[in-house]
Amino acid sequence: DTEVTQTPKHLVMGMTNKKSLKCEQHMGHRAMYWYKQKAKKPPELMFVYSYEKLSINESVPSRFSPECPNSSLLNLHLHALQPEDSALYLCASSQTGVITEAFFGQGTRLTVV
Amino acid sequence: AQSVSQHNHHVILSEAASLELGCNYSYGGTVNLFWYVQYPGQHLQLLLKYFSGDPLVKGIKGFEAEFIKSKFSFNLRKPSVQWSDTAEYFCAVNARRDSSYKLIFGSGTRLLVRP
Repeated sequence: DTEVTQTPKHLVMGMTNKKSLKCEQHMGHRAMYWYKQKAKKPPELMFVYSYEKLSINESVPSRFSPECPNSSLLNLHLHALQPEDSALYLCASSQTGVITEAFFGQGTRLTVV
Repeated sequence: AQSVSQHNHHVILSEAASLELGCNYSYGGTVNLFWYVQYPGQHLQLLLKYFSGDPLVKGIKGFEAEFIKSKFSFNLRKPSVQWSDTAEYFCAVNARRDSSYKLIFGSGTRLLVRP
C-alpha cells in the first residue's frame, strides 16, 4: 500500500472556526510532511516530522498547529485562519534520512470565508 | 541555500512532438534530483529520480532526464508526447536542514498537449 490518505478532501471554514486536517499512511515511513500549494504555484513546505517529532517549521504562523500522534498519523489543526490561507494542503511521507521518494496524498482543498 | 528553477512556465505541444523541460539547481554538494508530475485533480507522482551513477535516468511513461553536473541541470525529456501527458511538471531537489531532509520544488511547468 503506497497510499497517503488525506481527509477531508474539501473544507470550507469561517475565520473564527477551528478545524483539523488529517493524514494517514501505512508504509512504515517515519518522516511526514505538510505542504501548502496555492493555485498555479509549486508546493511549499510547512512542517517536517521525523520519528513523530517536529524537525522543521518553515516559519509558519501559529494559526497552523501540526501534530503527529503516532507514526502513521499527521494532523494539521487550523484556528483563526485568513482568506489568504485558502489553498490545497498536501501531506507527504517518506523514509527518514535522504529522501529517496516522497509519497503525496491528494490533498485537502481549503477555503476560508 | 539549495534552490531549483524551471524556466518554461507553459509549454504547448501537439501530439507526437518531442518534449524537453528545463530544470536548473543550485547546490555545491551531493544532489538528489526528482521530477514529479501532477495530473489534473490528482496527487503528485514521482516520474523519475537521480541519486548517482548513470546520468541518464529513465522513468515511468517513457520519460527520461539527464543530469549534467557541469551545467547544474536536470532536464526532462520525452521523444513523443501524448494527449494524456497534459499535466504540471515539477523538478525538485533534496535539501538538508540540520538532521532533516525536505524536498524543494521548482515553480513548475504546465504542459498542454493538443490532440
